[in-house]
Amino acid sequence: GAVVSQHPSWVICKSGTSVKIECRSLDFQATTMFWYRQFPKQSLMLMATSNEGSKATYEQGVEKDKFLINHASLTLSTLTVTSAHPEDSSFYICSASATDRDNEQFFGPGTRLTVL
Amino acid sequence: SQKIEQNSEALNIQEGKTATLTCNYTNYSPAYLQWYRQDPGRGPVFLLLIRENEKEKRKERLKVTFDTTLKQSLFHITASQPADSATYLCALKRGTGGFKTIFGAGTRLFVKA
Repeated sequence: GAVVSQHPSWVICKSGTSVKIECRSLDFQATTMFWYRQFPKQSLMLMATSNEGSKATYEQGVEKDKFLINHASLTLSTLTVTSAHPEDSSFYICSASATDRDNEQFFGPGTRLTVL
Repeated sequence: SQKIEQNSEALNIQEGKTATLTCNYTNYSPAYLQWYRQDPGRGPVFLLLIRENEKEKRKERLKVTFDTTLKQSLFHITASQPADSATYLCALKRGTGGFKTIFGAGTRLFVKA
């Protein structure tokens, strides 16, 4: 159990367009979802934390108007990169946790975003 | 600021040997520490968790130690296999004020046949 999926697994877009990435907990209800970004050979950097039905909490330095997070249900959170630019190219990873699973984080497979 | 340090250089070992990876942290008092495996282009996969009141944890060929005085964790893979080749991430989690996990940059392990 505790499977988290992401869609798409990779995406290529033109500069200035918006891209939406979905994160789903497939076999459990996630009370909290996290979004991370990882550049090559670097650590996962937490971007934001979201609880179902409430606004996401963004980490310092992360633009909330650029990285829109919606957590509409206990099994789905979306990250929309608005007006993407080449510097937004990165590996985006979500994770989900639940209070009835000891708040352990289960990670998705990641989404590779390339902005041309 | 809070900092987690892992060996940035890749670790190359021969199959069958024990691999030892180090994680050091500063300005942080974690409730527990976790180790993850990450393969290229994939999300992290949870391996082991060790709590602040535990000295050592084992799981099959894996062993983790946690020294809160030294602010250090060691991760051992015994009888290593080429399939163990991956990046191993150390992560710390606070015990209060939320469940934010902070990751190290990881150490790349290569096991040669």
